[in-house]
Amino acid sequence: KAGVTQTPRYLIKTRGQQVTLSCSPISGHRSVSWYQQTPGQGLQFLFEYFSETQRNKGNFPGRFSGRQFSNSRSEMNVSTLELGDSALYLCASSLTGNNQPQHFGDGTRLSIL
Amino acid sequence: GEDVEQSLFLSVREGDSSVINCTYTDSSSTYLYWYKQEPGAGLQLLTYIFSNMDMKQDQRLTVLLNKKDKHLSLRIADTQTGDSAIYFCAESGDDTGTASKLTFGTGTRLQVTL
Repeated sequence: KAGVTQTPRYLIKTRGQQVTLSCSPISGHRSVSWYQQTPGQGLQFLFEYFSETQRNKGNFPGRFSGRQFSNSRSEMNVSTLELGDSALYLCASSLTGNNQPQHFGDGTRLSIL
Repeated sequence: GEDVEQSLFLSVREGDSSVINCTYTDSSSTYLYWYKQEPGAGLQLLTYIFSNMDMKQDQRLTVLLNKKDKHLSLRIADTQTGDSAIYFCAESGDDTGTASKLTFGTGTRLQVTL
């Protein structure tokens, strides 16, 4: 069974640009969550999607948004990039998200110049 | 809010047992998790324990939960060099009731020496 797939693995952007990251969950999983990992703040929850609806949201500014498609694939968008957005962005999927173990992809490393 | 704390570093000799500790604050946590992260990789789910359990064993891994003290530990028996990584403790729980949000500790870097 294929795991969680995130694309691209690496991205380099400049300040002010926007970026879209993609996540394909494990087959059959309907919940997709996104996390940001930085050396200073550690792992922080961004948001969770289930059945194409955002069900839970962390404390990030509105520049961070996401969506989920009918096949459960999810995208995350960051607009007006700032230097502090440089991070490893991790996607996790689970069957329903309700107290289900979350399985992570290898992440997208975003660098802002 | 939720808070999870771990020690930053642990060094053990190959063949010895490793014990990584974690404390958490959210008494409503339903599940508690251990993840492993190797350099350049994502998080690998190692094991998890339901909050009404005291112990769970899975091959070389043993998880102990003291719910009264909100203390969780991960014991790795016969530690190998391939176990060198960062280990994260995480709790699930959020206001929506879905427990879909994980709160992670800072991670413990395990160094295995020969």
